[in-house]
Amino acid sequence: KAGVTQTPRYLIKTRGQQVTLSCSPISGHRSVSWYQQTPGQGLQFLFEYFSETQRNKGNFPGRFSGRQFSNSRSEMNVSTLELGDSALYLCASSLDPANTEAFFGQGTRLTVV
Amino acid sequence: KQEVTQIPAALSVPEGENLVLNCSFTDSAIYNLQWFRQDPGKGLTSLLLIQSSQREQTSGRLNASLDKSSGRSTLYIAASQPGDSATYLCAVDNYGQNFVFGPGTRLSVLP
Repeated sequence: KAGVTQTPRYLIKTRGQQVTLSCSPISGHRSVSWYQQTPGQGLQFLFEYFSETQRNKGNFPGRFSGRQFSNSRSEMNVSTLELGDSALYLCASSLDPANTEAFFGQGTRLTVV
Repeated sequence: KQEVTQIPAALSVPEGENLVLNCSFTDSAIYNLQWFRQDPGKGLTSLLLIQSSQREQTSGRLNASLDKSSGRSTLYIAASQPGDSATYLCAVDNYGQNFVFGPGTRLSVLP
């Protein structure tokens, strides 16, 4: 059974650019969540999608957005990149949002220069 | 607002020792609690999930307990091995909203 797949694994972008990250959940999982991990702030929740609908959003500026497709794959987009957006972006999938085990991908390492 | 803390922040032990990692949370109204391990630069690997109605879960050399009333969970690792070296993260699921993570415990098991 394939795990959670995140692409690309590594990205280097310049300040002001925009970036799109992709997450393919485990087959059959319909809930996808995104987290940002930095050395200073740890793991912070970005947003969660279930059945193509955003259920929750963390405390991040509007430059961070996402969506989920009918096949449960999800993308997140960051516009007008800032140096502080450099982080490991992690995606988690679960069967549904409530009370089920979450499985994480390997993450996308974004470096903004 | 849910806050999660983990003690100790770092731990170094010789191979073969039994050890306990601690996790505390401020709001006891949780759906479940999940323990993860993270190797440097990698994603999170799920270790154990404890649902709110459960008191403990076991998997191999790992045992996790949950005391909602006191806002605490412990992860017990028996007969530690160098391969157990990693950062261990505790995550609390707030009513299926999202995970709130602790800062992690960085474990080093020395051969």
